[in-house]
Amino acid sequence: GAGVSQSPSNKVTEKGKDVELRCDPISGHTALYWYRQSLGQGLEFLIYFQGNSAPDKSGLPSDRFSAERTGGSVSTLTIQRTQQEDSAVYLCASIRESGANVLTFGAGSRLTVL
Amino acid sequence: EDQVTQSPEALRLQEGESSSLNCSYTVSGLRGLFWYRQDPGKGPEFLFTLYSAGEEKEKERLKATLTKKESFLHITAPKPEDSATYLCAVQAGSTLGRLYFGRGTQLTVWP
Repeated sequence: GAGVSQSPSNKVTEKGKDVELRCDPISGHTALYWYRQSLGQGLEFLIYFQGNSAPDKSGLPSDRFSAERTGGSVSTLTIQRTQQEDSAVYLCASIRESGANVLTFGAGSRLTVL
Repeated sequence: EDQVTQSPEALRLQEGESSSLNCSYTVSGLRGLFWYRQDPGKGPEFLFTLYSAGEEKEKERLKATLTKKESFLHITAPKPEDSATYLCAVQAGSTLGRLYFGRGTQLTVWP
């Protein structure tokens, strides 16, 4: 597609529920990144995919967080047993890795855990 | 430990009043410094990449500069549509999109 697409744009859930956030990167972009933006904080790296593999998962805050990517395209970030501190905007970005090395971000998924 | 610090946190300017935003960084082996603009409810939008001290880049009313310890984003004669949060980020390792972001400067330009 023309840009990075994320869904849902907004998600309100109850503490303890599981949520799935989806990212559809720009066609042809081989690398995909998940970042989290909490209120008053800078963007925080979570995980990165090269193709369907995740060489760097070092930013995932706990084992409640997981992500996968299929077909070298769509990625899903799953948060199990959500906690209030998980409330944030989850941003996905993709990059071509040839030519200009510029991350292109989606609009984000705003997660609110009640 | 913060690797990227932006100042000020917020800045209010009158239309036409030029100013500068600061981004200081402490990473070693800088691979690139990035400036992004973020509007409310949207993802960051790329502005500039700088790679080495002394480098400068310009786009419309914006000019970014880089030294060995900090970067400046100069805004000349700003307009209300320049109001946004400006984010600075650095790449310290070999992974292209693995960036360390500052908390941003929220710029408001009033007519």
